[in-house]
Amino acid sequence: DIQMTQSPSTLSASVGDRVTITCRASQNIRSWLAWYQQKPGKAPKLLVHEASVLENGIPSRFSASASGREFTLTISSLQPDDFATYYCQQYNTFRTFGPGTKVEVK
Amino acid sequence: QQELLESGPRLVKPSETLSLTCNVSNGSISGSIYYWDWIRQAPGKAPQWIGSIYYRGSSFYNPSLKSRVTMSVDTSKNQFSLRLTSVTAADTAVYYCAYDENSYFRYWGPGMLVTVSS
Repeated sequence: DIQMTQSPSTLSASVGDRVTITCRASQNIRSWLAWYQQKPGKAPKLLVHEASVLENGIPSRFSASASGREFTLTISSLQPDDFATYYCQQYNTFRTFGPGTKVEVK
Repeated sequence: QQELLESGPRLVKPSETLSLTCNVSNGSISGSIYYWDWIRQAPGKAPQWIGSIYYRGSSFYNPSLKSRVTMSVDTSKNQFSLRLTSVTAADTAVYYCAYDENSYFRYWGPGMLVTVSS
């Protein structure tokens, strides 16, 4: 089984901050990674697929990259709408979600 | 844009079978080259992928749930279904159906909380 870890589990930040979330895979998953944003009571929203391909309509303040088994999601200037929980998901073998990173108001 | 909506009992007794249906609108299940999936999310936890099914019926499941899961497709009704047997309180979760486009999920249903309790 491929395990996914995320750090930090909780991130306290202010509007305008640069925020980086890290996701690590237990095995090589190449670029088969997606990122989602989830708000309370809602389904996850796809932000990124293939590790760095931004979905249409996602603001350019979001970016994502990969290096080996480590993946990062960066928000260049945090906006009020960005406070949410973020999940990574590998799809190299079956599909596995990471445990999530909650971005909360500092 | 695919639209999906989950339906089924919201309360299931322990040891019984959970059965949910996902109705697909704004697109044909049999017109898609991709898969249709079930994903669940226990309260306060990360989503967990349950399984995927193709409109012709081929399917594959999360190994941790495989022994209890069956998915099926009804193309005449444009819907697909989930059966999870021998449920326990640990199966209490919001159950989502989703469109599996290249193994990631662009379209999701709104989700449905299913509680396992006597």
